[in-house]
Amino acid sequence: QVQLVESGGGVVQPGRSLRLSCAASGFMFSSYAMYWVRQAPGKGLEWVAVIWYDGSNEYYADSVKARFTISRDNSRNTLYLQMNSLRAEDTAVYYCARLTVDNWLEPWGQGTLVTVSS
Amino acid sequence: QSALTQPPSASGSPGQSVTISCTGTSSDVGTYNYVSWYQQHPGKAPKVMIFEVNKRPSGVPHRFSGSKSGNTASLTVSGLQAEDEADYYCCSFAGSNNLVIFGGGTRLTVL
Repeated sequence: QVQLVESGGGVVQPGRSLRLSCAASGFMFSSYAMYWVRQAPGKGLEWVAVIWYDGSNEYYADSVKARFTISRDNSRNTLYLQMNSLRAEDTAVYYCARLTVDNWLEPWGQGTLVTVSS
Repeated sequence: QSALTQPPSASGSPGQSVTISCTGTSSDVGTYNYVSWYQQHPGKAPKVMIFEVNKRPSGVPHRFSGSKSGNTASLTVSGLQAEDEADYYCCSFAGSNNLVIFGGGTRLTVL
């Protein structure tokens, strides 16, 4: 069963850091580009970052560039998102997702909630 | 990196058809045939309904269809059913580096 499970969310103060993880199972993780997508409460989906299948390239939305870092460990079938200098506007449910060979995002994890608040 | 433009809401009665538009630019929707549509029910993760403009993954009902003209993509839901009530998001590739951009979302209400 193809599955993604996020973890690492929680409540964090502004300016602090948090690392999210996304554990993959049921497919050849090292063959797929992976994404982080977030959704602020009551808002729409926002692409955050993408990393190529071998980790050779990574790209970020302007809103998180220079603060967030996407990475992966293909030996552990795990995707990461290191979030530094967190702001209130980073509060959201963070989803990881796989880019299929047909260029759509599936599956999605269940999401992990990050709340940035003092 | 502005979001693709979708109407915030759409509605129809059971059995009717509804079309949701998604307008981008020549840098995303207008260039790439990698437009997908996602359905999201409250508290759930998004689920793909259409990929590559007009293709349906297995298991998605045939009453969901997609199209594109110029910089605007569209999702049509025919024969509306109560379970179609959800938020719908379009998504397009926005560059050769697997960059993507989402629409702002449309809440579909089945009256």
